[in-house]
Amino acid sequence: AQSVAQPEDQVNVAEGNPLTVKCTYSVSGNPYLFWYVQYPNRGLQFLLKYITGDNLVKGSYGFEAEFNKSQTSFHLKKPSALVSDSALYFCAVRDMLTGGGNKLTFGTGTQLKVEL
Amino acid sequence: NAGVMQNPRHLVRRRGQEARLRCSPMKGHSHVYWYRQLPEEGLKFMVYLQKENIIDESGMPKERFSAEFPKEGPSILRIQQVVRGDSAAYFCASSPSGGAGELFFGEGSRLTVL
Repeated sequence: AQSVAQPEDQVNVAEGNPLTVKCTYSVSGNPYLFWYVQYPNRGLQFLLKYITGDNLVKGSYGFEAEFNKSQTSFHLKKPSALVSDSALYFCAVRDMLTGGGNKLTFGTGTQLKVEL
Repeated sequence: NAGVMQNPRHLVRRRGQEARLRCSPMKGHSHVYWYRQLPEEGLKFMVYLQKENIIDESGMPKERFSAEFPKEGPSILRIQQVVRGDSAAYFCASSPSGGAGELFFGEGSRLTVL
């Protein structure tokens, strides 16, 4: 079965510093990978996805992610963190095709805290 | 274009009552997914439906939980005889047919069982 792992429950970073939120994956076949963000008491918002092509994927709000096949990783990055980036971040992988849908399996989430 | 609409946003039930959560997918989307988020935990897949069909219910508890997506109207997640352990946020997501795209999530329905 497809799975992703987020090894850090929480990441703390100072505003203005670069941030990285880690994700590793385990899939059979080519991975379809996603990052989502969740603010308190809200739904999940899509940030970016990797399907194929360039290993560096750019997404919303200045976020980007680097796909590394040899390390089976898909880390989320941002060059300069903002306090408003503080939220819960989820990595996800698309499950094997069933009925043509896009069932995603999510990691356990990483709480990002950006401090002044 | 309205996003995924879920209601109610908050629902309080006493043990033994029934909870019904509704989800209207984005316009043009024919696939609906339900996820559950327990406090301090990630999202767990429950069920994937298309119109009038359950495609994958591998994440649904065997008892008390059911889901439907009728030809007309919203998708419904139904929990019978709720227990305190059912207290969670239930999220609905939708996607269009085919493709390799992302899921679009609603704001969730937060169920509290007293």
